[in-house]
Amino acid sequence: QVQLVQSGAEVKKPGASVKVSCKASGYSFTSYYMHWVRQAPGQGLEWMGIINPSGGSTSYAQKFQGRVTMTRDTSTSTVYMELSRLRFEDTAVYYCARDAEEAALDYWGQGTLVTVSS
Amino acid sequence: DIQMTQSPSTLSASVGDRVTITCRASQSISSWLAWYQQKPGKAPNLLIYKASSLESGVPSRFSGSGSGTEFTLTISSLQPDDFATYYCQQYNSYSGTFGQGTKVEIK
Repeated sequence: QVQLVQSGAEVKKPGASVKVSCKASGYSFTSYYMHWVRQAPGQGLEWMGIINPSGGSTSYAQKFQGRVTMTRDTSTSTVYMELSRLRFEDTAVYYCARDAEEAALDYWGQGTLVTVSS
Repeated sequence: DIQMTQSPSTLSASVGDRVTITCRASQSISSWLAWYQQKPGKAPNLLIYKASSLESGVPSRFSGSGSGTEFTLTISSLQPDDFATYYCQQYNSYSGTFGQGTKVEIK
């Protein structure tokens, strides 16, 4: 069965960077793009970007351009999202989600809470 | 970036009610529109994709319609398990903007 398992919660100081992982299993890793979505406490869903695990190409939301980097490791079927120059307002749950093309985001990771605190 | 506007932000309804949520895109997205349900502390769950296709395992009381810039999610008879927050999402050209969400509350 399809599973996306994310890394554990992180606490970071303002100005630091965080790297969240998402390990995929149960399907052909390079056949499906992967999205990253975040949700601040009590707020809505915010799309951050997308990565093609096959070639590594990416597309980021304008808001995160210059601060976010999405990468992948095909040997371990894992995608990564690194966010730099963290601010208090980056405190959120970060999700990875599989892109099933016409069928939208059909599987989601369990979420990773990133807390930015001094 | 394409902007998505959902209405209403909050909706109070009773079990058995017919509920409709609207989503508007700032430009045409054809039928590249999905609807998700999210409950507190959980990841979103896909309900509808390509504007009107029901995801496998989702009850048939959920339906979606629309194309271009105007879309709706309808719950034909609200059930206790349906009290949650609903999001629309456009997924077009390697982007994926969400609407701001609609919280369906018990009246």
